[in-house]
Amino acid sequence: DAKTTQPPSMDCAEGRAANLPCNHSTISGNEYVYWYRQIHSQGPQYIIHGLKNNETNEMASLIITEDRKSSTLILPHATLRDTAVYYCIVRVRNQGGKLIFGQGTELSVKP
Amino acid sequence: EADIYQTPRYLVIGTGKKITLECSQTMGHDKMYWYQQDPGMELHLIHYSYGVNSTEKGDLSSESTVSRIRTEHFPLTLESARPSHTSQYLCASSDRDIRRGKLFFGSGTQLSVL
Repeated sequence: DAKTTQPPSMDCAEGRAANLPCNHSTISGNEYVYWYRQIHSQGPQYIIHGLKNNETNEMASLIITEDRKSSTLILPHATLRDTAVYYCIVRVRNQGGKLIFGQGTELSVKP
Repeated sequence: EADIYQTPRYLVIGTGKKITLECSQTMGHDKMYWYQQDPGMELHLIHYSYGVNSTEKGDLSSESTVSRIRTEHFPLTLESARPSHTSQYLCASSDRDIRRGKLFFGSGTQLSVL
């Protein structure tokens, strides 16, 4: 199973773009990259996912490198409410929909 | 968007008590999951189900048990609670299409065993 590596913490100024990196150098061709976030004491919330093309939705953009060994989650205009732990996850292959959560990146958006 | 509910939100009980944590979803999802999370730590999958009468143990060993008699309901039971069971328990569900892999989480149950 592909493993992900994320920085443990990051800061971002309110109103600026937050760029959260993730390395997944052992990802295989049919594994998707998922991003979730968890605000303190709440259940994780789905943000976005992708296979090899860049994706955008109302919450964020996902940029996946051409070799798929890394990706970046972009929050275009971070707000204080975006302060959370962000998890980059590679979907476990051949094991249904189970997702394995790592330690994630703790993003602090500051005024 | 998410219609998955967990009760109770908080539970404080004494050692040796039997408890059941409730989880229900109204989205018709076949797949349901239980995760356990200690403060500041990773989420660990402890149980999952791919449909009625189907349950499997997750990656983290747990003394809890689960049942799936109805599609919408996936309760977790501890026969005899101990202080080591103190943790947050999060329930989730997902669509049948595994390519989507999008999980919907409940708000969690914070369990404290004294």
